[in-house]
Amino acid sequence: GQSLEQPSEVTAVEGAIVQINCTYQTSGFYGLSWYQQHDGGAPTFLSYNALDGLEETGRFSSFLSRSDSYGYLLLQELQMKDSASYFCAVRDRGFQKLVFGTGTRLLVSP
Amino acid sequence: SQTIHQWPATLVQPVGSPLSLECTVEGTSNPNLYWYRQAAGRGLQLLFYSVGIGQISSEVPQNLSASRPQDRQFILSSKKLLLSDSGFYLCAWSVDRVSAKNIQYFGAGTRLSVL
Repeated sequence: GQSLEQPSEVTAVEGAIVQINCTYQTSGFYGLSWYQQHDGGAPTFLSYNALDGLEETGRFSSFLSRSDSYGYLLLQELQMKDSASYFCAVRDRGFQKLVFGTGTRLLVSP
Repeated sequence: SQTIHQWPATLVQPVGSPLSLECTVEGTSNPNLYWYRQAAGRGLQLLFYSVGIGQISSEVPQNLSASRPQDRQFILSSKKLLLSDSGFYLCAWSVDRVSAKNIQYFGAGTRLSVL
């Protein structure tokens, strides 16, 4: 089976850089995804890494190291609106569903 | 463009009452459909998923059932609600079957309180 672990909470101030880590254990690996969810809202897709290295999308970047079974989401120039929960996810072997991590709540303060 | 509709937004139900939550997708055909539950401050628990009409896979044995009577309609039901059924229910869809990305698009969710 698959399991993904994330820190439960991370705090930072506006303008700072924050890194949210995700370690995974999978039977077969098919890439790591990240989703953002604001309180009371729906999760939305942020990024996806299939290969090792850094993927950049504006202020957000996602990194993957397959040899370490580890990835992270990097948020730069933090804004108050970035306060949300962030989930990493992997696809199951059958390619029909995702397994989500435990989620990290990011609190951005002024 | 594709859209997903999920209703109702909030629901308060007494213990032992039935439940029916509906989700419909527009603008795509033959999507994979998913029902998730999220307890307050917790992660996403996959309840059911469907790869086609009448095809339902259950992830967690429980008090709930799902049906897919039409290609773009997914229904979550219960005959008798329990207190533990309270939570935030999310419907999602995906058409990404081949690549490993499987981007899922979520509905706005239904907040269910069982009292």
